[in-house]
Amino acid sequence: DVKVTQSSRYLVKRTGEKVFLECVQDMDHENMFWYRQDPGLGLRLIYFSYDVKMKEKGDIPEGYSVSREKKERFSLILESASTNQTSMYLCASSLYKAGSNHQPQHFGDGTRLSIL
Amino acid sequence: AQTVTQSQPEMSVQEAETVTLSCTYDTSESDYYLFWYKQPPSRQMILVIRQEAYKQQNATENRFSVNFQKAAKSFSLKISDSQLGDAAMYFCAYRGYGNKLVFGAGTILRVKS
Repeated sequence: DVKVTQSSRYLVKRTGEKVFLECVQDMDHENMFWYRQDPGLGLRLIYFSYDVKMKEKGDIPEGYSVSREKKERFSLILESASTNQTSMYLCASSLYKAGSNHQPQHFGDGTRLSIL
Repeated sequence: AQTVTQSQPEMSVQEAETVTLSCTYDTSESDYYLFWYKQPPSRQMILVIRQEAYKQQNATENRFSVNFQKAAKSFSLKISDSQLGDAAMYFCAYRGYGNKLVFGAGTILRVKS
């Protein structure tokens, strides 16, 4: 089974802090994703990565950055945390197959982040 | 841009009965995939079922089946013989060209014993 591990289930930080959310997958997947989940809005894509050192902006990248130095690890960075970034953050990974976009995404347990 | 709409914020079903969750989407692409994901309370999101747009036959996975109406851009999920363990948030999702998923807002399903 694919295992996507997020480093923290719950995290409390202060406004202005630099926050790191870590995600590791163990199935050698090329694709990795960061979403935030808010009530009534579903999941919205923040950033994704197709390969090491590659990243692309999703739908709501403002206030976030990412890092992918190794294939198995994808980090989400809140440069200067603000209260409107209080949310559930979900990491996902999927396999890349040329000519096939039906590979499902596998999700981590999520990190519930509170910014005070 | 593609959008996915789940018009039912919450649904309830009696144990052993059948429930249908609605999903509509908007796209101009001709080739795409649709998914239903389940997120139990405080647990990991998992894939329930997927449908390729080019296939006319509706996908089925045990008690879960879909009603895919391509012309109407509708993709509903039917859960038969509902069980307590089916209680969760259900998300409909779309993927066209590329690897990006577009999610609906979700439907909370409550199962009554």
